[in-house]
Amino acid sequence: GESVGLHLPTLSVQEGDNSIINCAYSNSASDYFIWYKQESGKGPQFIIDIRSNMDKRQGQRVTVLLNKTVKHLSLQIAATQPGDSAVYFCAENSGGSNYKLTFGKGTLLTVNP
Amino acid sequence: SQTIHQWPATLVQPVGSPLSLECTVEGTSNPNLYWYRQAAGRGLQLLFYSVGIGQISSEVPQNLSASRPQDRQFILSSKKLLLSDSGFYLCAWMGQTNSPLHFGNGTRLTVT
Repeated sequence: GESVGLHLPTLSVQEGDNSIINCAYSNSASDYFIWYKQESGKGPQFIIDIRSNMDKRQGQRVTVLLNKTVKHLSLQIAATQPGDSAVYFCAENSGGSNYKLTFGKGTLLTVNP
Repeated sequence: SQTIHQWPATLVQPVGSPLSLECTVEGTSNPNLYWYRQAAGRGLQLLFYSVGIGQISSEVPQNLSASRPQDRQFILSSKKLLLSDSGFYLCAWMGQTNSPLHFGNGTRLTVT
């Protein structure tokens, strides 16, 4: 079935470097995408979202890029800090659903001091 | 501001015992409500969602059920727990359609 997946299960970076976390989606009808951060023992925390009528959106130290041609989503974190260490999930609105989000398996980001 | 409460934080239950996990949302009206399960090191699996009182949609046939007795209350239940029901259960709410889900801090359920 169609699903959201991640290219890299783990990513290790040095403090101060930029991080890029990638996500592939296969449902071309999905038109809303979200990135979440999940720290150990906690629920996922919303980071940033993007709709399919955009290809880039920026937040504080984070940027999401959407390439609909190749069904690819990425999260860029600038000047990565130890507090950014967590599992990051991408999610899509399940083929255009107004109510349901489908999550990828997640990427573990480790920031080394 | 909106807040979501989920309890208990951890729970250890024997096989065959009943389950009731409760979730409440404050500061919003008529939210969409969700139950997800997360296995260790895995992604989030949608179990149930509700767009209104008494309206429950089940995504995965299983040993669990959900109910929404009040607008901002969502309950996950089981009559008899199985070992495979162990996991991290997350409640979430969504305001407007196609907007972010906001999650509670989850319940870690261990069935022994």
